[in-house]
Parts: sequence; structure tokens; C-alpha cells
Amino acid sequence: QKEVEQDPGPLSVPEGAIVSLNCTYSNSAFQYFMWYRQYSRKGPELLMYTYSSGNKEDGRFTAQVDKSSKYISLFIRDSQPSDSATYLCVFYNTDKLIFGTGTRLQVFP
Amino acid sequence: DAGVTQSPTHLIKTRGQQVTLRCSPKSGHDTVSWYQQALGQGPQFIFQYYEEEERQRGNFPDRFSGHQFPNYSSELNVNALLLGDSALYLCASSLAGQLHTDTQYFGPGTRLTVL
Repeated sequence: QKEVEQDPGPLSVPEGAIVSLNCTYSNSAFQYFMWYRQYSRKGPELLMYTYSSGNKEDGRFTAQVDKSSKYISLFIRDSQPSDSATYLCVFYNTDKLIFGTGTRLQVFP
Repeated sequence: DAGVTQSPTHLIKTRGQQVTLRCSPKSGHDTVSWYQQALGQGPQFIFQYYEEEERQRGNFPDRFSGHQFPNYSSELNVNALLLGDSALYLCASSLAGQLHTDTQYFGPGTRLTVL
């Protein structure tokens, strides 16, 4: 079983849609949970960061963590074409970051 | 502030050759981590340098080595290149080895192609 499972997509949605991106993980030692966004030919950039179960909101983005189910989600409200990118779920464990494979999102006008 | 910079942008090598990639961290950062991102995959942690020493290492062979200089910049060296080493190599900088905070920044990467 992989430590992190993430659907690679692609996910194609119309502008204004609510997007739900998800990851499951198997290692209960993971301490911190992050979402990174990676545009084509660019390095990843941190979007959201949390360390506890529950929801964390930042503008149009909401990160949700359910430690009991080992499941994290990222919701994007009112999606824009500029949100088109690959979204990576990332976990921190003993000084290492462990990345999911990324979900490619395409928001069309 | 230029952020994290990497050079070169692209590189083409043949099997068996050696390659050196370079990274300059964001101003004020003292820790550099290197990642390998194969096409369609998430980045894989190679190693991290802090205070000019390798602190952590992922599951990569000894062909992958690195160095950190007193000005915090870093090099990644790969010897005896294999076709499977073709990937985007990302450098990330952070403060005092803290990967689990919101202070880690990635560079644009070096695209290595091994023929």
C-alpha cells in the first residue's frame, strides 16, 4: 500500500464551480498536512498548511483534515481559470516532506 | 528578493556522465533541500543540507551527493547517470531546517534529460 494516494486526474470544471481535491494516507505518524500548487514549468508553492483535524479557510480555499479516517481535502470555491494547475497533497514526517502524485486541474471559462 | 534560483534551467546528458546542479536559497534562509520530480509524479525527497552538512536523506543511491557552501547555496551532483535520472530537480529553501512550516520555498527547477 502506498503511503499517499491521490487521484492524478485530470479534473476539468467550468469557471465558478466548487472543486474538491482529496488524498488518503496510511501513515498515522504524519504530523502536518499541506497543499501545494504547481503551475506548468514552475516549482510548487505552498497554498495551505495545517496540523490538526478540522477545517482551515483562506479566501476561496478550505483545507480539511480527518485524522481518524486518514483523509485530507482541499476545496476551491468560485474556481477561476487561473486556478488551473497541479495540486499536490503533502505530509510532513520526521524532517521529510512526502508528496502525493498531484491532481491536474483545468478550469475552463 | 529573487527567491530561490536554480541553474541551469535545462540540461541534456548521456548515460554514464556526471552532472552538477546549483541552487541559491531565498534571502535569509539557511537550509536547502533537493527533490526529484519524475514526469507525472510528485517530488521525491533526495536530501537536505543545513550548516554545510547533510541532515536527512531519502531513498536515493550514493550516486547522488551534495554540498552546501558557507553562503548557504548548494550543489547536487549525480554520477554515472542513468536514463531513469531524467526528471525535474527541485531545490527548496527554508529556515533552520523547518520543513513543516509555511517557510519553505521552491525554485523553478532544473530539467535534466539523460539520453
